[in-house]
Amino acid sequence: EAGVAQSPRYKIIEKRQSVAFWCNPISGHATLYWYQQILGQGPKLLIQFQNNGVVDDSQLPKDRFSAERLKGVDSTLKIQPAKLEDSAVYLCASSPLRLAGANEQFFGPGTRLTVL
Amino acid sequence: DAKTTQPNSMESNEEEPVHLPCNHSTISGTDYIHWYRQLPSQGPEYVIHGLTSNVNNRMASLAIAEDRKSSTLILHRATLRDAAVYYCILFYNQGGKLIFGQGTELSVKP
Repeated sequence: EAGVAQSPRYKIIEKRQSVAFWCNPISGHATLYWYQQILGQGPKLLIQFQNNGVVDDSQLPKDRFSAERLKGVDSTLKIQPAKLEDSAVYLCASSPLRLAGANEQFFGPGTRLTVL
Repeated sequence: DAKTTQPNSMESNEEEPVHLPCNHSTISGTDYIHWYRQLPSQGPEYVIHGLTSNVNNRMASLAIAEDRKSSTLILHRATLRDAAVYYCILFYNQGGKLIFGQGTELSVKP
């Protein structure tokens, strides 16, 4: 089966500019996640969708970050305006609805963002 | 959210078994133990998970202590392609989320 697709793979922008990342999850996966991974750290969950509803966005900096998952399939994460500290890899993951505890997540290759 | 403790780094020789430890002394009865790994320049990859009993799959084995306060990921025969950061994560059974720590960076020597 096709994996999680993300684009672009790399993006370089100036601070205060806007940027958007796109994710297409594995077909049929109800749950979609966006993570931020700063160099040298583990991924940090930003937002979790189940179908097109938000389950958890407690770690999303809502003053500058937004995300949507229209029609419960692909998703877009936007940063507006970007700050230097937003430089990171942005990972998208998806998972099917399964038995509790068996939350195997499938990750995409990520988008590496550099803010200058 | 319950925390895990892992060594920052470990070394292994190719074709030898590797035992990656994880301490989770504050684990609750409903927490599952998940392991993911992240190869260089890739997204994390699911390895294995368990609740109380030891588990085996094609990638690895998971040994869980009787009191569940620690676990060990076992790679039976390390290859160069197993060099990665390995994350031990506690997943809360009901609506929880994966919280990644620093993980253990495994290097494999030929």
